[in-house]
Amino acid sequence: SAVISQKPSRDICQRGTSLTIQCQVDSQVTMMFWYRQQPGQSLTLIATANQGSEATYESGFVIDKFPISRPNLTFSTLTVSNMSPEDSSIYLCSVEATGEGYTFGSGTRLTVV
Amino acid sequence: QKEVEQNSGPLSVPEGAIASLNCTYSDRGSQSFFWYRQYSGKSPELIMSIYSNGDKEDGRFTAQLNKASQYVSLLIRDSQPSDSATYLCARPAGGSYIPTFGRGTSLIVHP
Repeated sequence: SAVISQKPSRDICQRGTSLTIQCQVDSQVTMMFWYRQQPGQSLTLIATANQGSEATYESGFVIDKFPISRPNLTFSTLTVSNMSPEDSSIYLCSVEATGEGYTFGSGTRLTVV
Repeated sequence: QKEVEQNSGPLSVPEGAIASLNCTYSDRGSQSFFWYRQYSGKSPELIMSIYSNGDKEDGRFTAQLNKASQYVSLLIRDSQPSDSATYLCARPAGGSYIPTFGRGTSLIVHP
C-alpha cells in the first residue's frame, strides 16, 4: 500500500500565526485528501487536492483559512492560517491506494496557544 | 445527518471473547463500507472493506453487511488486549466516493 510521510508530527503555535503541513507519498496519486480530527471526535474532511487544479473544500472550510498546494502527483501541503485555539486538532492527509482503500499519514498534532 | 452512526462506547470485553462493533446507516446511498482501527495517538488504519451483503472474513475479523436492516458490523474473535483501540466505520458520502467517518467506538479488551 502507499506510504505517506507527513510532517511535522506535532507543533505548538502562537495564535495568529500559520503552520504548513507537508505530505509526501511514495507513489503517484491523483487525489490527496486532508482531514481534521478534533479531540475526541471523528475525522472531518477538509478538502480534496487534485494536481493541477484548485482544491475542493467541504462545507465549513475555506481556502483563505486552509490554503492547499498540490504541485505534483506525490506531494501536497495544507496551511492552517491565522490560527486560534479552536484550530487545535490533529490534521491528517490521506490517499486512496487502488484496491486497498484509503491510507493515512501519521498525522500532525497541532496545539495553538 | 451523518452517513453512519456508531455508539461511542466504550465497549469492554474480556480477553478471548468476541467483540461486536456496530454501525448503522439510514439511506440507500453507497453500499461500500470500511472499518478502520485507530490506536490512541495514531492515525487510522484500514482493517476491512465490505461491499456486498453477507459476511467477509479476514483472520480474526469478520465484517457483516445487512442491507435490509441497514447496519454493518465488525466482529473480532479471540479478542486480545492489543485490539484495544477506537474502531471507525466509514462510508462514501452521498454522490461522492470519499469516505465519511462515524464517531468511532472505543473497544477495551481487559485481561
